[in-house]
Amino acid sequence: QQQVKQSPQSLIVQKGGISIINCAYENTAFDYFPWYQQFPGKGPALLIAIRPDVSEKKEGRFTISFNKSAKQFSLHIMDSQPGDSATYFCAANVQGAQKLVFGQGTRLTINP
Amino acid sequence: GAVVSQHPSWVICKSGTSVKIECRSLDFQATTMFWYRQFPKQSLMLMATSNEGSKATYEQGVEKDKFLINHASLTLSTLTVTSAHPEDSSFYICSVIAGWADTQYFGPGTRLTVL
Repeated sequence: QQQVKQSPQSLIVQKGGISIINCAYENTAFDYFPWYQQFPGKGPALLIAIRPDVSEKKEGRFTISFNKSAKQFSLHIMDSQPGDSATYFCAANVQGAQKLVFGQGTRLTINP
Repeated sequence: GAVVSQHPSWVICKSGTSVKIECRSLDFQATTMFWYRQFPKQSLMLMATSNEGSKATYEQGVEKDKFLINHASLTLSTLTVTSAHPEDSSFYICSVIAGWADTQYFGPGTRLTVL
Protein backbone atom coordinates (compact mmCIF):
# COMPACT_ATOMS: atom_id res chain seq x y z
CA GLN A 1 0.00 0.00 0.00
CA GLN A 2 3.03 2.25 0.39
CA GLN A 3 4.07 1.82 -3.22
CA VAL A 4 3.94 4.36 -5.99
CA LYS A 5 3.94 2.70 -9.40
CA GLN A 6 5.48 4.67 -12.24
CA SER A 7 5.33 4.07 -15.98
CA PRO A 8 6.83 3.83 -18.50
CA GLN A 9 10.34 2.79 -17.48
CA SER A 10 11.77 4.57 -20.49
CA LEU A 11 10.37 7.00 -23.01
CA ILE A 12 11.65 8.45 -26.26
CA VAL A 13 10.03 11.61 -27.60
CA GLN A 14 10.85 13.79 -30.55
CA LYS A 15 11.90 17.38 -29.95
CA GLY A 16 8.83 19.58 -29.65
CA GLY A 17 6.57 16.71 -28.65
CA ILE A 18 4.72 16.07 -25.41
CA SER A 19 6.26 13.73 -22.84
CA ILE A 20 3.83 12.02 -20.48
CA ILE A 21 4.81 10.02 -17.40
CA ASN A 22 2.22 8.34 -15.21
CA CYS A 23 2.10 7.32 -11.55
CA ALA A 24 -0.46 5.46 -9.48
CA TYR A 25 -0.79 4.95 -5.75
CA GLU A 26 -2.93 3.03 -3.29
CA ASN A 27 -2.50 4.85 0.01
CA THR A 28 -5.33 7.37 0.28
CA ALA A 29 -3.47 9.09 3.12
CA PHE A 30 -0.91 10.47 0.65
CA ASP A 31 -1.45 14.21 0.38
CA TYR A 32 1.62 15.59 -1.34
CA PHE A 33 2.92 14.56 -4.74
CA PRO A 34 6.24 15.98 -6.00
CA TRP A 35 8.10 15.23 -9.20
CA TYR A 36 11.88 15.20 -9.31
CA GLN A 37 14.26 15.46 -12.26
CA GLN A 38 17.65 13.79 -12.05
CA PHE A 39 20.56 14.12 -14.46
CA PRO A 40 23.32 11.47 -14.49
CA GLY A 41 25.68 11.83 -11.55
CA LYS A 42 23.56 14.52 -9.89
CA GLY A 43 21.06 14.61 -7.06
CA PRO A 44 17.32 14.84 -7.80
CA ALA A 45 15.96 18.35 -8.24
CA LEU A 46 12.39 19.28 -7.35
CA LEU A 47 10.48 20.04 -10.53
CA ILE A 48 6.88 20.60 -9.52
CA ALA A 49 4.53 19.38 -6.80
CA ILE A 50 0.79 19.19 -6.17
CA ARG A 51 -1.66 18.68 -3.34
CA PRO A 52 -4.80 16.59 -3.97
CA ASP A 53 -7.16 19.53 -3.56
CA VAL A 54 -6.39 20.65 -7.12
CA SER A 55 -6.64 18.67 -10.35
CA GLU A 56 -3.90 20.41 -12.26
CA LYS A 57 -0.83 22.53 -11.68
CA LYS A 58 1.23 24.17 -14.37
CA GLU A 59 4.68 25.69 -14.18
CA GLY A 60 6.10 26.73 -17.51
CA ARG A 61 6.26 23.69 -19.80
CA PHE A 62 5.61 21.28 -16.92
CA THR A 63 2.10 20.28 -15.84
CA ILE A 64 0.89 17.83 -13.19
CA SER A 65 -2.53 16.32 -13.76
CA PHE A 66 -4.10 14.74 -10.68
CA ASN A 67 -7.05 12.32 -10.57
CA LYS A 68 -7.94 11.75 -6.93
CA SER A 69 -10.71 9.23 -7.57
CA ALA A 70 -8.46 7.10 -9.76
CA LYS A 71 -5.49 7.62 -7.46
CA GLN A 72 -3.33 8.58 -10.40
CA PHE A 73 -1.21 11.56 -11.32
CA SER A 74 0.92 12.37 -14.31
CA LEU A 75 3.61 14.73 -15.51
CA HIS A 76 3.28 16.37 -18.90
CA ILE A 77 6.25 18.10 -20.49
CA MET A 78 5.15 20.31 -23.36
CA ASP A 79 7.44 21.24 -26.25
CA SER A 80 10.00 18.71 -25.02
CA GLN A 81 13.62 19.70 -25.57
CA PRO A 82 16.87 17.68 -25.66
CA GLY A 83 17.83 19.36 -22.38
CA ASP A 84 14.84 17.65 -20.76
CA SER A 85 16.53 14.28 -21.27
CA ALA A 86 16.87 12.95 -17.73
CA THR A 87 15.35 10.48 -15.30
CA TYR A 88 12.09 11.59 -13.70
CA PHE A 89 10.77 10.31 -10.38
CA CYS A 90 7.31 10.77 -8.99
CA ALA A 91 6.89 10.59 -5.23
CA ALA A 92 4.26 10.83 -2.52
CA ASN A 93 4.05 11.32 1.19
CA VAL A 94 1.76 11.87 4.08
CA GLN A 95 2.19 15.34 5.54
CA GLY A 96 3.79 15.06 8.93
CA ALA A 97 5.19 11.62 8.20
CA GLN A 98 7.96 13.33 6.21
CA LYS A 99 9.12 10.22 4.40
CA LEU A 100 8.81 10.23 0.63
CA VAL A 101 7.79 7.13 -1.29
CA PHE A 102 9.38 7.18 -4.75
CA GLY A 103 8.29 5.68 -8.02
CA GLN A 104 10.67 3.49 -9.99
CA GLY A 105 11.75 6.30 -12.31
CA THR A 106 11.37 7.02 -16.02
CA ARG A 107 14.34 7.58 -18.27
CA LEU A 108 13.29 10.22 -20.79
CA THR A 109 15.18 10.78 -24.01
CA ILE A 110 14.31 13.68 -26.29
CA ASN A 111 15.59 13.17 -29.81
CA PRO A 112 16.68 16.31 -31.67
CA GLY B 1 14.10 26.00 -1.86
CA ALA B 2 16.89 24.87 0.43
CA VAL B 3 20.45 24.61 -0.87
CA VAL B 4 22.22 21.41 0.12
CA SER B 5 25.86 20.51 -0.40
CA GLN B 6 27.72 17.23 -0.01
CA HIS B 7 31.38 16.51 0.41
CA PRO B 8 33.14 14.80 -1.15
CA SER B 9 31.42 14.52 -4.51
CA TRP B 10 33.24 11.28 -5.15
CA VAL B 11 35.54 9.02 -3.18
CA ILE B 12 37.49 5.86 -3.90
CA CYS B 13 38.65 3.76 -0.98
CA LYS B 14 40.12 0.35 -0.26
CA SER B 15 38.04 -2.46 1.14
CA GLY B 16 38.00 -2.44 4.94
CA THR B 17 38.47 1.29 5.37
CA SER B 18 35.91 3.81 6.61
CA VAL B 19 34.58 6.77 4.65
CA LYS B 20 32.79 9.85 5.97
CA ILE B 21 30.36 11.83 3.82
CA GLU B 22 29.18 15.28 4.88
CA CYS B 23 25.81 16.84 4.12
CA ARG B 24 25.33 20.55 4.74
CA SER B 25 22.23 22.68 4.60
CA LEU B 26 23.63 26.01 3.41
CA ASP B 27 20.68 28.35 3.83
CA PHE B 28 18.28 26.56 6.11
CA GLN B 29 18.39 25.12 9.59
CA ALA B 30 17.42 21.51 9.18
CA THR B 31 16.26 19.57 12.20
CA THR B 32 15.72 16.58 9.95
CA MET B 33 17.88 15.26 7.16
CA PHE B 34 17.56 12.06 5.16
CA TRP B 35 20.15 9.74 3.69
CA TYR B 36 19.43 7.79 0.53
CA ARG B 37 21.29 5.25 -1.50
CA GLN B 38 20.89 4.83 -5.24
CA PHE B 39 22.25 2.01 -7.38
CA PRO B 40 22.70 2.53 -11.14
CA LYS B 41 19.43 2.86 -13.03
CA GLN B 42 17.40 2.38 -9.87
CA SER B 43 15.23 4.54 -7.68
CA LEU B 44 16.27 6.15 -4.41
CA MET B 45 16.25 3.95 -1.34
CA LEU B 46 15.85 5.67 2.02
CA MET B 47 18.51 4.49 4.43
CA ALA B 48 17.86 6.59 7.52
CA THR B 49 16.34 9.73 8.96
CA SER B 50 18.83 11.95 10.73
CA ASN B 51 17.50 14.04 13.60
CA GLU B 52 19.51 16.89 15.09
CA GLY B 53 20.64 16.10 18.60
CA SER B 54 19.26 12.58 18.70
CA LYS B 55 19.86 9.14 17.28
CA ALA B 56 19.11 8.44 13.66
CA THR B 57 16.20 6.26 12.67
CA TYR B 58 17.23 3.50 10.27
CA GLU B 59 15.06 1.80 7.70
CA GLN B 60 14.51 -1.92 7.89
CA GLY B 61 17.46 -3.86 6.55
CA VAL B 62 19.99 -1.02 6.95
CA GLU B 63 22.80 -1.89 9.33
CA LYS B 64 23.11 0.92 11.86
CA ASP B 65 26.58 -0.22 12.94
CA LYS B 66 27.82 -0.08 9.38
CA PHE B 67 26.27 3.22 8.38
CA LEU B 68 26.92 5.62 11.24
CA ILE B 69 24.96 8.86 11.13
CA ASN B 70 25.69 11.93 13.20
CA HIS B 71 23.57 15.08 13.11
CA ALA B 72 25.44 17.32 15.50
CA SER B 73 24.14 20.68 14.28
CA LEU B 74 21.21 22.17 12.40
CA THR B 75 23.30 22.46 9.26
CA LEU B 76 25.45 19.33 9.21
CA SER B 77 24.80 15.61 9.08
CA THR B 78 27.47 13.02 8.40
CA LEU B 79 27.26 9.45 7.14
CA THR B 80 30.20 7.18 7.88
CA VAL B 81 30.44 3.92 5.99
CA THR B 82 32.50 1.69 8.26
CA SER B 83 34.63 -1.20 7.03
CA ALA B 84 33.50 -0.55 3.49
CA HIS B 85 33.26 -3.40 0.99
CA PRO B 86 32.76 -3.39 -2.79
CA GLU B 87 29.02 -4.02 -2.36
CA ASP B 88 28.79 -0.66 -0.55
CA SER B 89 29.78 1.09 -3.77
CA SER B 90 26.86 3.32 -4.62
CA PHE B 91 25.60 6.87 -5.00
CA TYR B 92 24.75 8.36 -1.60
CA ILE B 93 22.42 11.36 -1.49
CA CYS B 94 21.18 13.43 1.43
CA SER B 95 18.13 15.66 1.62
CA VAL B 96 16.63 18.24 3.94
CA ILE B 97 13.04 19.17 4.57
CA ALA B 98 12.15 22.80 4.05
CA GLY B 99 9.06 24.84 3.54
CA TRP B 100 5.76 23.77 2.11
CA ALA B 101 4.37 20.29 2.75
CA ASP B 102 7.61 18.76 3.98
CA THR B 103 9.29 19.36 0.63
CA GLN B 104 12.59 17.55 0.38
CA TYR B 105 15.57 19.19 -1.28
CA PHE B 106 18.43 16.96 -2.28
CA GLY B 107 22.17 17.38 -2.27
CA PRO B 108 24.31 16.69 -5.35
CA GLY B 109 25.24 13.20 -4.16
CA THR B 110 28.49 11.38 -3.37
CA ARG B 111 29.76 8.57 -5.54
CA LEU B 112 31.49 5.93 -3.39
CA THR B 113 33.65 3.30 -5.04
CA VAL B 114 35.17 0.61 -2.85
CA LEU B 115 38.02 -1.34 -4.42
